[in-house]
Amino acid sequence: DGGITQSPKYLFRKEGQNVTLSCEQNLNHDAMYWYRQDPGQGLRLIYYSQIVNDFQKGDIAEGYSVSREKKESFPLTVTSAQKNPTAFYLCASSMVANTEAFFGQGTRLTVV
Amino acid sequence: GENVEQHPSTLSVQEGDSAVIKCTYSDSASNYFPWYKQELGKGPQLIIDIRSNVGEKKDQRIAVTLNKTAKHFSLHITETQPEDSAVYFCAASIYSGAGSYQLTFGKGTKLSVIP
Repeated sequence: DGGITQSPKYLFRKEGQNVTLSCEQNLNHDAMYWYRQDPGQGLRLIYYSQIVNDFQKGDIAEGYSVSREKKESFPLTVTSAQKNPTAFYLCASSMVANTEAFFGQGTRLTVV
Repeated sequence: GENVEQHPSTLSVQEGDSAVIKCTYSDSASNYFPWYKQELGKGPQLIIDIRSNVGEKKDQRIAVTLNKTAKHFSLHITETQPEDSAVYFCAASIYSGAGSYQLTFGKGTKLSVIP
């Protein structure tokens, strides 16, 4: 069953704690992306990776970090430096850049 | 960078009527324009896309048109059904260097189809 899996679906953390969101894909895609979605807003790009061991900052990278040690995995860490971390986070992948992006089901992060 | 404007933000239509959602983009170098449908609590799903060398593309009840000169593209849904109710996002892709492309999304249109 091919696809892109994000876990967990819901995540609660206390203010000041780092938290890592998981994203795994078995589509053999080279490119992976992290987006943030806030109510009434479009998707804003946090980080993206075109190939293993390489990634670039998107439009809102401050307070976030990523790694791409394996082709299948692209975890996102929301650090305590992110001033407003409560949001819906979406991971996506595409075979190569500039082609159809497949999205996961998202992780809703709530920081209290 | 690229800026994508999407209108309207909400749209209500009667079942069977057509729905049109419009987007404009700022960078003439953008060359790929996908449309995504997002149902509540789920990730977006691609419904149709178009590249800059094509003016129109259809897939059953869905069509997208692109006007490169005016830098706008539109989604057309005919014979709307209640299951078309969702949030729709347009996006524009631009080359960002070193083999990388970035998708910039509009803010979304909440479509409600009234039975």
